Amino acid sequence: DVKVTQSSRYLVKRTGEKVFLECVQDMDHENMFWYRQDPGLGLRLIYFSYDVKMKEKGDIPEGYSVSREKKERFSLILESASTNQTSMYLCASRTPSGSRTDTQYFGPGTRLTVL
Amino acid sequence: AQSVTQLGSHVSVSEGALVLLRCNYSSSVPPYLFWYVQYPNQGLQLLLKYTTGATLVKGINGFEAEFKKSETSFHLTKPSAHMSDAAEYFCAVSPWGGSEKLVFGKGTKLTVNP
Repeated sequence: DVKVTQSSRYLVKRTGEKVFLECVQDMDHENMFWYRQDPGLGLRLIYFSYDVKMKEKGDIPEGYSVSREKKERFSLILESASTNQTSMYLCASRTPSGSRTDTQYFGPGTRLTVL
Repeated sequence: AQSVTQLGSHVSVSEGALVLLRCNYSSSVPPYLFWYVQYPNQGLQLLLKYTTGATLVKGINGFEAEFKKSETSFHLTKPSAHMSDAAEYFCAVSPWGGSEKLVFGKGTKLTVNP
């Protein structure tokens, strides 16, 4: 089974703090994703990574950056947290493209509150 | 641009009744289509997906969905609702023949009444 883990389930930070959200997958997948989930808006893609040190902006990258130094780990960084970044953050990892099982698998999510 | 519309942000059914969650998509190329389920305070779990071939797709927990190209729909059904089906359901489309860059609907919250 694919396992995607996220470093924290719940996180409370203060405005202006630098925040790191970590995601780890154990299946040697190349593609990894960070989404933000808000009520009534569904999931919106923040950033994704094709492979180590490769990243591409998604639909809402403003205020976020990412890091992918190792294949198994994809980090989302909030350089200076703001209250409008209070949200549920979901990481996903994708099975190899072209395979019959080509699918994104999700971690349990990190619920971030910025005070 | 690809998009997904889920009709009804909230659906309520009685236990044992039919579950029907609607999803319509727009895509300029043959899409991959997905249904995910999210239980409270958890991540998303894949229920089923359509790639090519048979248009009726069976998934986990007794759910199934039918791809109808002429109607650009991929509605999710289950013949008999169970209390444990209460969750939020997301339809997603991937227009490039894979699961890269999924476009999600806004979700439908299913309530199952005893």
